[in-house]
Amino acid sequence: AQSVAQPEDQVNVAEGNPLTVKCTYSVSGNPYLFWYVQYPNRGLQFLLKYITGDNLVKGSYGFEAEFNKSQTSFHLKKPSALVSDSALYFCAVRDKYNFNKFYFGSGTKLNVKP
Amino acid sequence: DTAVSQTPKYLVTQMGNDKSIKCEQNLGHDTMYWYKQDSKKFLKIMFSYNNKELIINETVPNRFSPKSPDKAHLNLHINSLELGDSAVYFCASSQPSGGGLYEQFFGPGTRLTVL
Repeated sequence: AQSVAQPEDQVNVAEGNPLTVKCTYSVSGNPYLFWYVQYPNRGLQFLLKYITGDNLVKGSYGFEAEFNKSQTSFHLKKPSALVSDSALYFCAVRDKYNFNKFYFGSGTKLNVKP
Repeated sequence: DTAVSQTPKYLVTQMGNDKSIKCEQNLGHDTMYWYKQDSKKFLKIMFSYNNKELIINETVPNRFSPKSPDKAHLNLHINSLELGDSAVYFCASSQPSGGGLYEQFFGPGTRLTVL
């Protein structure tokens, strides 16, 4: 079955420190991977996506993600966290056969403390 | 301008009632979706339409019926509401490109509470 997993329900980091939000995928072949962010009482917002090419993908708000095929991972990273980055983060993968279907992870709550 | 809008934002109703949620996108996208986010924030796709044609219909009770009068609108009607229907429902849209490599734009959500 195709899926993504976010092993951490919550990540706590101090402002100014680097952050990592983990995501692993289970898709055969080449996956199409996405990260979204959800602020309280808001809809999801697109951050970045991996299609092909460079394993390091840069996205909105200074976020980046590293695709690692051998570890089947697509971790979200930011060199220096801001308090305003506190939100719920979702990893998603596109269905290999149905281009309109996406599977979302369970979400990881990021808490950035001053 | 709001790209993807939903009405109402909050919906509180009694069990057994019928209710509708409306969604509109002004992005010119061909594909629209309905997602359900439960109390644990788990997000699951329910339906997807491409240019008014139903293309994804997940394992959803027949009480849920989507309707797309045109490609800019996708409504969700729910009959005989049950307690378990309480959730946040998100509408989303996207524009297919070569290889289907597109992201989705989400509405603000409709929080449905069934009493």
